[in-house]
Amino acid sequence: DIVMTQSPDSLAVSLGERATINCKSSQSVLRTSNNKSYLAWYQQKPRQPPKLLIYWASTRESGVPDRFSGSGSETDFTLTISSLQAEDVAVYYCHQYHHTPRTFGQGTKVEIK
Amino acid sequence: EVQLVESGGGLVQPGGSLRLSCAASGFTFSTYWMVWVRQSPGKGLEWVANIKGDGNENYYLDSVKGRFTISRDNAKNSLYLQMNSLRAEDTAVYYCVRDAMRGGDFDVWGQGTTVTVS
Repeated sequence: DIVMTQSPDSLAVSLGERATINCKSSQSVLRTSNNKSYLAWYQQKPRQPPKLLIYWASTRESGVPDRFSGSGSETDFTLTISSLQAEDVAVYYCHQYHHTPRTFGQGTKVEIK
Repeated sequence: EVQLVESGGGLVQPGGSLRLSCAASGFTFSTYWMVWVRQSPGKGLEWVANIKGDGNENYYLDSVKGRFTISRDNAKNSLYLQMNSLRAEDTAVYYCVRDAMRGGDFDVWGQGTTVTVS
């Protein structure tokens, strides 16, 4: 199984500052046939289900604010919140969907400093 | 509005059975792969099983193979998860999820139903 490892486990960022979350997969999730990395990011707020933010490693889901961006390829990925807002307090998960079983990172908790 | 609503969770003794249901609305259910994902405090998010739109292909997490069965009824726009021989480690919130049909990311999630094995 592909192991997804996120870092850090938690971070506290001041309002308006940048938050950066890293995700590393134990195997490449790049499909060479279409040159797409099968990596998604989700946001989960307390008592809510996860919400899709990013797919194909860097494509924002419809309706997601442009302060959220994803980057990376193959095994190393980053989710960046360019200017943290109060409503961004949540746990963020990466998810690989290149291989079965699909697997998730352990989550990164983002708080306000 | 696209919506997934789970039901059927509850408290069950180890070794018992439970059947989860998910009612889908707002989209052409039969054209989408559907998924069950669970979340427990100790293990985070965990993919459990998925099933193709026509119901003819499915996959399972190794730890639930032979105990859980995913199925669907496209005439009723419903997804199911039959869970047998339940163990304490199956305790979790179970989410019904839609596969976005562009590779496998999960674009729609239900609110979840809680299964407690104790």
